[in-house]
Amino acid sequence: GENVEQHPSTLSVQEGDSAVIKCTYSDSASNYFPWYKQELGKRPQLIIDIRSNVGEKKDQRIAVTLNKTAKHFSLHITETQPEDSAVYFCAASTGTYKYIFGTGTRLKVLA
Amino acid sequence: SAVISQKPSRDICQRGTSLTIQCQVDSQVTMMFWYRQQPGQSLTLIATANQGSEATYESGFVIDKFPISRPNLTFSTLTVSNMSPEDSSIYLCSVAWVGRSYEQYFGPGTRLTVT
Repeated sequence: GENVEQHPSTLSVQEGDSAVIKCTYSDSASNYFPWYKQELGKRPQLIIDIRSNVGEKKDQRIAVTLNKTAKHFSLHITETQPEDSAVYFCAASTGTYKYIFGTGTRLKVLA
Repeated sequence: SAVISQKPSRDICQRGTSLTIQCQVDSQVTMMFWYRQQPGQSLTLIATANQGSEATYESGFVIDKFPISRPNLTFSTLTVSNMSPEDSSIYLCSVAWVGRSYEQYFGPGTRLTVT
C-alpha cells in the first residue's frame, strides 16, 4: 500500500537559519501533498500544500517543492524563528481525500 | 475553514469500558474522518464517516471496536469500545469539502487514557 517516508525525525537549527524536511511517497498516483504543523498539545494545522501539476509553491518564509519523477517533496523554512519549533508532518493523497501521513519531524529552533 | 469542536477534550477511563467522542462543525462539510495519534507518533486514519451509511474503515480497524455515526453534515461520533491501555491515544476528527481542494482541517482532539 501507500507509504510516506519522512526525514529527518529531529532537526535542530539556529534561529535565522533554514530548515529542510524531506518526504518520499510510494504511490505514483498521489497528486496532493499537504504539510501540517503540530505544536505541543495542539491540533495539526495546515501550513502549505502542493498539487502534482506544480513544482514549487511559496508562502512567505515557507515553501514546498515537488519532484514527481523521484516521488520526493520537501518543506523549506527560511529565516527560522523560535515559534517555528513544532512537529511537522507531510502527507500524500491520491485525490480521494484519504491522507497517508509521514512519521513526523521534530524541529527545534535554537535562540 | 470552519470551527471544529470535540467533546470530551480528555478523559481517563477504565479498561473494559467504552467512550463516545463527539465532533461538531459549525458549517456543513462533505467529508469527516477519524484519526488516531498514539503518543509521540504520526496520525493514522481510522475511518471515513459517511452520512447516512456505514463508515469506511481502514485496514486494522473494525466497526465492532470503533463504531462511528454521522447523522448529518455537521456531526459525527466515534466510540472506542471495550477499551484496553493500548487504546490510550489522541483521537482527532477532520473535515473536508468535496470540490474545494483536498484540504483537511482537524479538530482539537480528545486525549484518552485507559487505566
